[in-house]
Amino acid sequence: DIVMTQSPDSLAVSLGERATINCRSSQSVFYSSNNKNYLAWYQQKPGQPPKLLIYWASTRESGVPDRFSGSGSGTDFTLTISSLQAEDVAVYFCQQYYSNFFTFGPGTKVDIK
Amino acid sequence: QVQLQESGPGLVKPSQTLSLTCTVSGASISSDSYYWSWIRQPAGKGLEWIGRIYSSGNTYYNPSLKSRVTISVDTSKNQFSLKLSSVTAADTAVYYCARGLGITMTGLGWNDYWGQGTLVTVSS
Repeated sequence: DIVMTQSPDSLAVSLGERATINCRSSQSVFYSSNNKNYLAWYQQKPGQPPKLLIYWASTRESGVPDRFSGSGSGTDFTLTISSLQAEDVAVYFCQQYYSNFFTFGPGTKVDIK
Repeated sequence: QVQLQESGPGLVKPSQTLSLTCTVSGASISSDSYYWSWIRQPAGKGLEWIGRIYSSGNTYYNPSLKSRVTISVDTSKNQFSLKLSSVTAADTAVYYCARGLGITMTGLGWNDYWGQGTLVTVSS
């Protein structure tokens, strides 16, 4: 199994400030044949299903605000919210789709300070 | 607009079989471009991938659930289904169905559309 970990478990950021979430995989999710990192980020608000934000570690899904960005490669990845808005309060999950057995990170809860 | 909708009993007795169906609209479940997944989330906890099925019928399951899980597809109804046998209280969760992109080099991709989820409680 590829184990996904996230840090921190939760964070509180002032409106307009930057929020940074880290995700680490227990083995590389980089596929050299196509030069892609098989890593996605999702946002989940209370009572709602997860919403896709980022795929290929850094490609923003259509319609996702550009304040959301993804970076990293191999085993270490970051989701950055450049200027936190009230509507960004949610839990954020990373997920690897490198192996046949998909796994998710435990989630990071983002709140307003 | 792609939509997925889970349906099935909200209460299942211990040791029985949980059965859920996901009805897909706005996309063909027969398309080679996608696969179809089940994912669950116990209250207040994280996401657990259960398994997925391709239009070819090929399936992949979470090893921890593999002995109890069956995912099938009904292309005539544009639906896919989940059966989880011998359930216990630990199987109580919100169950989501989702579409995944299967057109990558490895056939594995992200989940772009999700259903709203359905709560299944295992209790006598």
